Amino acid sequence: QKEVEQNSGPLSVPEGAIASLNCTYSDRGSQSFFWYRQYSGKSPELIMSIYSNGDKEDGRFTAQLNKASQYVSLLIRDSQPSDSATYLCAPNTGGFKTIFGAGTRLFVKA
Amino acid sequence: KAGVTQTPRYLIKTRGQQVTLSCSPISGHRSVSWYQQTPGQGLQFLFEYFSETQRNKGNFPGRFSGRQFSNSRSEMNVSTLELGDSALYLCASSLSGSQSEQFFGPGTRLTVL
Repeated sequence: QKEVEQNSGPLSVPEGAIASLNCTYSDRGSQSFFWYRQYSGKSPELIMSIYSNGDKEDGRFTAQLNKASQYVSLLIRDSQPSDSATYLCAPNTGGFKTIFGAGTRLFVKA
Repeated sequence: KAGVTQTPRYLIKTRGQQVTLSCSPISGHRSVSWYQQTPGQGLQFLFEYFSETQRNKGNFPGRFSGRQFSNSRSEMNVSTLELGDSALYLCASSLSGSQSEQFFGPGTRLTVL
């Protein structure tokens, strides 16, 4: 079992729709969870962090965390073509080490 | 506030050579983590430094090493380069470590011929 699992995609959604990105992780000791966006040829950019169970909203982005299920998700509302990128889920194991998932490629159709 | 800087941005080396990459974190950040990114393996953790101390190391051979200076700048070194070391090397800066938010530099693209 991989430490962090994400659907590789591509996930294709029409402009204005909600994009839902999912991630499961294996280390129950993980306490910090991050979502990064990476455009082709660029470095990852932090878009959300979440530390407690429940939802956290920031603009069009909502992160959801369920530690009991070892599951974290990212919702993007009113998706725009500029949201087309690879989204990386990154739990921190607590041992000064962040594990990155392979990423989900999102394509937003205009 | 200036972001994370990495030098050089591009490098071409031949097998057997060694290389040193540099990373300057965001001012005030004391932690630097290094990652290797390849199309097949994704982002792989190399090591994390905080206040000049290595706090964790990923599953890479001993040819990969690093250090951090008192001004928080960090270097990583790869000796005896192999073709498989061709990758994008990214450093990430954070206030207190990778358990907090990390901010990535633009990366160094290393090509080993």
